[in-house]
Amino acid sequence: AQSVTQPDIHITVSEGASLELRCNYSYGATPYLFWYVQSPGQGLQLLLKYFSGDTLVQGIKGFEAEFKRSQSSFNLRKPSVHWSDAAEYFCAVGTSNTGNQFYFGTGTSLTVIP
Amino acid sequence: DGGITQSPKYLFRKEGQNVTLSCEQNLNHDAMYWYRQDPGQGLRLIYYSQIVNDFQKGDIAEGYSVSREKKESFPLTVTSAQKNPTAFYLCASTIGQGHSPLHFGNGTRLTVT
Repeated sequence: AQSVTQPDIHITVSEGASLELRCNYSYGATPYLFWYVQSPGQGLQLLLKYFSGDTLVQGIKGFEAEFKRSQSSFNLRKPSVHWSDAAEYFCAVGTSNTGNQFYFGTGTSLTVIP
Repeated sequence: DGGITQSPKYLFRKEGQNVTLSCEQNLNHDAMYWYRQDPGQGLRLIYYSQIVNDFQKGDIAEGYSVSREKKESFPLTVTSAQKNPTAFYLCASTIGQGHSPLHFGNGTRLTVT
């Protein structure tokens, strides 16, 4: 069965520090992978996606993610965090062989210290 | 601008009442989804629809119902059979191809007392 694991429930970083949010997935075929960000009380906004090609993908707001098939991972990174990056981050995998379903991790809450 | 509109933003109901949450999209997307979000549990799929007049149950469909009479609209009814309906509800849509991402509305927070 498909699943997504975000092992870190909550992460705190200092403004200007680098950030890496972890995501591991379980899926038999080549996955379609996404990272979303959610501010409190809002919907989810797409940061970036991967479905083929270059395994390092660039997204909005200075984020990037790297797909590593051997590790079943799709970690999100940012070189220098801004206070406005404080939010909830969700990793998701999309499938096409089970009716275009999407599976989400439980999210990582990011706190940024000034 | 195209997007997904969920209304209302906040909804309050008494226990035992059915309530319908609205979701409208003008993105011309074929597929639409309803998710429930509770703290620490991520997003759980309630129902999804790939085409007009057709929909499938997700992981937590009990106590919910949907309709898809128009491509643009996918309303969710929370019935009195839903044992714990207080939650944040998110509607989403996508073109319908596996690599196309979901686009989300801004959610409706339902409180049942």
